[in-house]
Amino acid sequence: DTGVSQNPRHKITKRGQNVTFRCDPISEHNRLYWYRQTLGQGPEFLTYFQNEAQLEKSRLLSDRFSAERPKGSFSTLEIQRTEQGDSAMYLCASSLTPGQTAEAFFGQGTRLTVV
Amino acid sequence: RKEVEQDPGPFNVPEGATVAFNCTYSNSASQSFFWYRQDCRKEPKLLMSVYSSGNEDGRFTAQLNRASQYISLLIRDSKLSDSATYLCGKVGSNYQLIWGAGTKLIIKP
Repeated sequence: DTGVSQNPRHKITKRGQNVTFRCDPISEHNRLYWYRQTLGQGPEFLTYFQNEAQLEKSRLLSDRFSAERPKGSFSTLEIQRTEQGDSAMYLCASSLTPGQTAEAFFGQGTRLTVV
Repeated sequence: RKEVEQDPGPFNVPEGATVAFNCTYSNSASQSFFWYRQDCRKEPKLLMSVYSSGNEDGRFTAQLNRASQYISLLIRDSKLSDSATYLCGKVGSNYQLIWGAGTKLIIKP
């Protein structure tokens, strides 16, 4: 499978615990995005990387959230001290550098439930 | 105001009908726009890219109106399988991809 891969697909955690998600993008894609999606809403931008550089972080991304892409390939998103409001689908997408062919390809997402 | 806005719907449309919905955007510098389809509890998947005035692919036509800052999606001869949420997206000022909240479409037999 050469698409975007995310794991785990589902995560249930207790409030206050830390969680980490992984995203493996399409291999030749240098852009990697993290989004959060709640029911009835479109994907909300969290952060993105160009290769290993994190170029932008949304104001939505509190200090409890951190993302890395150490070698410019896979990325991890960590949420510390989870809160019930963090419950959502976390989507990863990858693309080539935006231009005429900037289509993003999404992974199947990690559904987080904080209890 | 959100940078990309869509009517959330739902649009309830009989099978075989033509349906159209719009997506308005701010920041006229945007060059690249997209329509994605998202099925319930699935990831969004690319439907069409819109780079210039428009694009057509079978029953689907997307058009870009830069003067009024909107893109539209037209679906002809709608099928039951077209039922989904349609997300409008664009490349933002810092090259991040930005999405609307989606328009829910329900095709009824």
